[in-house]
Amino acid sequence: GAVVSQHPSRVICKSGTSVKIECRSLDFQATTMFWYRQFPKQSLMLMATSNEGSKATYEQGVEKDKFLINHASLTLSTLTVTSAHPEDSSFYICSASGGGDTDTQYFGPGTRLTVL
Amino acid sequence: AQSVTQPDIHITVSEGASLELRCNYSYGATPYLFWYVQSPGQGLQLLLKYFSGDTLVQGIKGFEAEFKRSQSSFNLRKPSVHWSDAAEYFCAVGPGGGNKLTFGTGTQLKVEL
Repeated sequence: GAVVSQHPSRVICKSGTSVKIECRSLDFQATTMFWYRQFPKQSLMLMATSNEGSKATYEQGVEKDKFLINHASLTLSTLTVTSAHPEDSSFYICSASGGGDTDTQYFGPGTRLTVL
Repeated sequence: AQSVTQPDIHITVSEGASLELRCNYSYGATPYLFWYVQSPGQGLQLLLKYFSGDTLVQGIKGFEAEFKRSQSSFNLRKPSVHWSDAAEYFCAVGPGGGNKLTFGTGTQLKVEL
């Protein structure tokens, strides 16, 4: 149980384009989803927290107009990187909590974004 | 403010040897504590967690951790390491209830055959 998927696993795009990453909870209803960014050989940096049906709460320093987060259902959250630039290249990981265990975050496999 | 310290950036052990990864936390209330493992290019997998009760918790893959309130520690242990345990290990603390976690900087484990 508590499986979280992400799609795509890898994406390469040109500078200036937008990229959407999906995060799904497969076997539970995720009342809260989190989006992280991870630079090579570093820890996770929380970008935002989203609750189903509500606007996401962004961490300080994260541009909400650049990283659009939608949590339209209890099983799906999306992160859209708008007008991506090479400095946005990173590993993006989502996590979800909910179902019978709201205290634990279960993580997706991550999405490697490369912006050329 | 809450914080997590993992003092060892890299640890190398021989296969079959015992392992202890250190984690110290700073938190104002009763903490919810977690250990996650990350293989290269992958997401994080939950190894174990502590909320309350018995301070020695068992996890997956033969791992265990002990919560010591007096030392503000939650060290991860394994009696005999396998080569497949080579990965990055993260300790995290939070308030529970679907609230955000604070992660340590991670410990990279290398296993020598």
